[in-house]
Amino acid sequence: AQSVTQLDSHVSVSEGTPVLLRCNYSSSYSPSLFWYVQHPNKGLQLLLKYTSAATLVKGINGFEAEFKKSETSFHLTKPSAHMSDAAEYFCAVSENTGGFKTIFGAGTRLFVKA
Amino acid sequence: NAGVTQTPKFQVLKTGQSMTLQCAQDMNHEYMSWYRQDPGMGLRLIHYSVGAGITDQGEVPNGYNVSRSTTEDFPLRLLSAAPSQTSVYFCASSEELIWRGTGELFFGEGSRLTVL
Repeated sequence: AQSVTQLDSHVSVSEGTPVLLRCNYSSSYSPSLFWYVQHPNKGLQLLLKYTSAATLVKGINGFEAEFKKSETSFHLTKPSAHMSDAAEYFCAVSENTGGFKTIFGAGTRLFVKA
Repeated sequence: NAGVTQTPKFQVLKTGQSMTLQCAQDMNHEYMSWYRQDPGMGLRLIHYSVGAGITDQGEVPNGYNVSRSTTEDFPLRLLSAAPSQTSVYFCASSEELIWRGTGELFFGEGSRLTVL
C-alpha cells in the first residue's frame, strides 16, 4: 500500500528567499507523484506531477520537484517565494498498476513574510 | 467551463439526520472520488468509482454510501450523521486510468458539513 509523509506541517519564509517543502513516499509499485496547492476556501489545484519520465519536474508558478527513488523523496522547491505562494501544499501518490487510489499527505502550510 | 460542481457548499445537520452531497462533472471523466479534509490529516479517500455502476471503498468508508448511475454524477450519502463526520468534503474526477493510475485529479470547491 502507498503512503505519503510530509515532513513539515508549517514552513515560514521571507519573500524572495527559496522555498523547500519536503515529501517522502512509500509505494510497492512504480508510483506517480503529485503536488497540489490549496488556497483558503478553495479546492486543490495541481502544481506538478511525476509519471516515470524526467525525474526533475517543472510545474506552474515557478515550482519544481525532483523524484529521488533511492531516497523515496519528492521535495517541492521554488527559487524565490512570492506573497501569493502562501497556501497549503499537499504531496500525493498513486500507484501505476491500475490502482485507483490517490493518497495524500497531511499537508504543509507555507507562510510568506514581507 | 464548469469542471467539478459540488452542492451544497455549506450544511448543518443534527446527529442522526441523513443527507446527500451532490457532485457533478462535465469533463466526461470515468474516475470520480470523494475525500474528506480534516485539520492536520490532509485528504482521506472515502469512496471512488471507475465508471458508471462501479464503486469501491477508500481509506475511511464507514458511515458513507455512494452510487454511480451516470458518468456525470457521483453523490455521497450520509445515512445517519455523526459529529465525527463534521468535515470539508471534496469531490474529484480524473480521466486517466489503468496503467497510469488515477492521474491528475480535478477538484470541486468543497462542501463544509457541520454535524451538531
